[in-house]
Amino acid sequence: SYVLTQPPSVSVAPGKTARITCGGNNIGSKSVHWYQQKPGQAPVLVIYYDSDRPSGIPERFSGSNSGNTATLTISRVEAGDEADYYCQVWDSSSDHPVVFGGGTKLTVL
Amino acid sequence: QVQLVQSGAEVKKPGASVKVSCKASGYTFTSYGISWVRQAPGQGLEWMGWISAYNGNTNYAQKLQGRVTMTTDTSTSTAYMELRSLRSDDTAVYYCARLWQSGGWFDPWGQGTLVTVSS
Repeated sequence: SYVLTQPPSVSVAPGKTARITCGGNNIGSKSVHWYQQKPGQAPVLVIYYDSDRPSGIPERFSGSNSGNTATLTISRVEAGDEADYYCQVWDSSSDHPVVFGGGTKLTVL
Repeated sequence: QVQLVQSGAEVKKPGASVKVSCKASGYTFTSYGISWVRQAPGQGLEWMGWISAYNGNTNYAQKLQGRVTMTTDTSTSTAYMELRSLRSDDTAVYYCARLWQSGGWFDPWGQGTLVTVSS
């Protein structure tokens, strides 16, 4: 089945830019969605359709997807952005249509 | 506002069954699917399957085939997930989430239900 690979951890100083990658075979041909999960809380959608932001999500969150890598970019990182981030793809033609990446722990230094 | 509210925590013995509910409000229930995702302690997200609230069609993750059943009650806008023959490695937080079938993303999510399997 399809595999999504994320780095286990990313560290960034406040005010800087964090980039979290999600690798998959020809992932650029799929739609990628991103979730933020803080400790003890349910996941929250932060990016859908590669780069669209749901209402209420700050413009500091953006996404891109091309080739074999999708990227979640968080600009002007704040302490409150510290969380686990998961990428996810959907393939409606597959027997296993939903795949999640392993998750990336974002640490704000 | 759109909201999914799940039933409370459960403690079960190995071999037992558990049924978790997920009550939706704030939107037309039959216009979306409901997916179930679980998260073992300290681990990532694992997709379990989804159900169309429109027609009841289901798609389960292969590893859970035969042990999981997802249903809906459109009269109460509630989705259910039953997992049978519980094992210790089924201990996890179970989430329901509204599935946007047009593109396959989940928004919003329920608050989660902790299921503990222990003898």
